[in-house]
Amino acid sequence: AQSVTQLGSHVSVSEGALVLLRCNYSSSVPPYLFWYVQYPNQGLQLLLKYTSAATLVKGINGFEAEFKKSETSFHLTKPSAHMSDAAEYFCAVRGGNQFYFGTGTSLTVIP
Amino acid sequence: DAGVIQSPRHEVTEMGQEVTLRCKPISGHDYLFWYRQTMMRGLELLIYFNNNVPIDDSGMPEDRFSAKMPNASFSTLKIQPSEPRDSAVYFCATAGSGANVLTFGAGSRLTVL
Repeated sequence: AQSVTQLGSHVSVSEGALVLLRCNYSSSVPPYLFWYVQYPNQGLQLLLKYTSAATLVKGINGFEAEFKKSETSFHLTKPSAHMSDAAEYFCAVRGGNQFYFGTGTSLTVIP
Repeated sequence: DAGVIQSPRHEVTEMGQEVTLRCKPISGHDYLFWYRQTMMRGLELLIYFNNNVPIDDSGMPEDRFSAKMPNASFSTLKIQPSEPRDSAVYFCATAGSGANVLTFGAGSRLTVL
């Protein structure tokens, strides 16, 4: 069975600081992994996806994530946080034709 | 492309009333998913369709909930009768062949008084 675990329901960073949001996955097959972002009162938007090509995946808005099979991790990073990055972030794994989402991490950016 | 279109964006109703939420998928997308989002339970999959056929409805909470997809351009999620605990944001999301990436609608925020 596929699942993801997001460590830390709330993360606060200063503007300009590194953003690191953690996600660990469980999958019995090579996984398809995703990060989505949700701004207030909006739907989820795709940030990036891993589909077994390059292990370092670049997404929109300067975010990237690295697939590490040995650690079963797919952490999301951004070198320098911007105020506009404040949002809820969801990690997801595809299993069959379904998508399994983590519980989300709320990112606060402190000016 | 207009994306996944959901209506209404906001619905306030009284307990016992029927609620119908609507979704228009992206043209050509043959997978359609209904999710519910609450603070307590996060994002829950209710049901999903492939080529208009319900594939897995195990997430539908109870018989008060029903979903249909009469054609490739339209789906509904109905709650009858509604209860206060149904208050949530309901999302429709669709994917193309292979279900490689989900695209979400803006959601329908339901408040049941």
